[in-house]
Amino acid sequence: AQKVTQAQTEISVVEKEDVTLDCVYETRDTTYYLFWYKQPPSGELVFLIRRNSFDEQNEISGRYSWNFQKSTSSFNFTITASQVVDSAVYFCALSEDTGRRALTFGSGTRLQVQP
Amino acid sequence: GAVVSQHPSWVICKSGTSVKIECRSLDFQATTMFWYRQFPKQSLMLMATSNEGSKATYEQGVEKDKFLINHASLTLSTLTVTSAHPEDSSFYICSARDAARQGASSYEQYFGPGTRLTVT
Repeated sequence: AQKVTQAQTEISVVEKEDVTLDCVYETRDTTYYLFWYKQPPSGELVFLIRRNSFDEQNEISGRYSWNFQKSTSSFNFTITASQVVDSAVYFCALSEDTGRRALTFGSGTRLQVQP
Repeated sequence: GAVVSQHPSWVICKSGTSVKIECRSLDFQATTMFWYRQFPKQSLMLMATSNEGSKATYEQGVEKDKFLINHASLTLSTLTVTSAHPEDSSFYICSARDAARQGASSYEQYFGPGTRLTVT
């Protein structure tokens, strides 16, 4: 069975601080996909990134960066120079390779960025 | 592109009544749609997988007679909560996969904006 763990329930930072959100996953598949989504107070999920299990290159997109380490089954997300607009709940998710390709979500990390 | 809509965005109904939620893929065809439920301050939990032209697949613990899913076309899936009770109050989110996509992008799910159901 697949599992995604986001151990940090809530993080509070002051604007301009860097913050890292942790994600650890478990799967028996050799091919899988990892995702990060942002859920602002409106509730609509915003897609941030998709990463496949064979691509361990780190990715940077503006103030966002992701560190995928297969050896530790982790896919961490860092926001550099955080802003108030980054305040949201962030979910890490794992997609199985076969069949339905359903998503298994972590429990989410609520990020509060204080001005 | 890849827009998914849900209707209604919020609904209040009385205990014992049924309510239908629609999920539409607006600019792509979706052979597979997913229905998730999210209770306040909790994660998204997959309820069922909706397959066009066939019966939905329900997750363990989800009552299929209570949560009726119909996926009659490639762009529409509906979730009907029958005989709703206050404990069914939740945020219901659908997602859809684009049937035309292949490879890595076929794993992508496009999410609707969600429907907030309150049962009084």
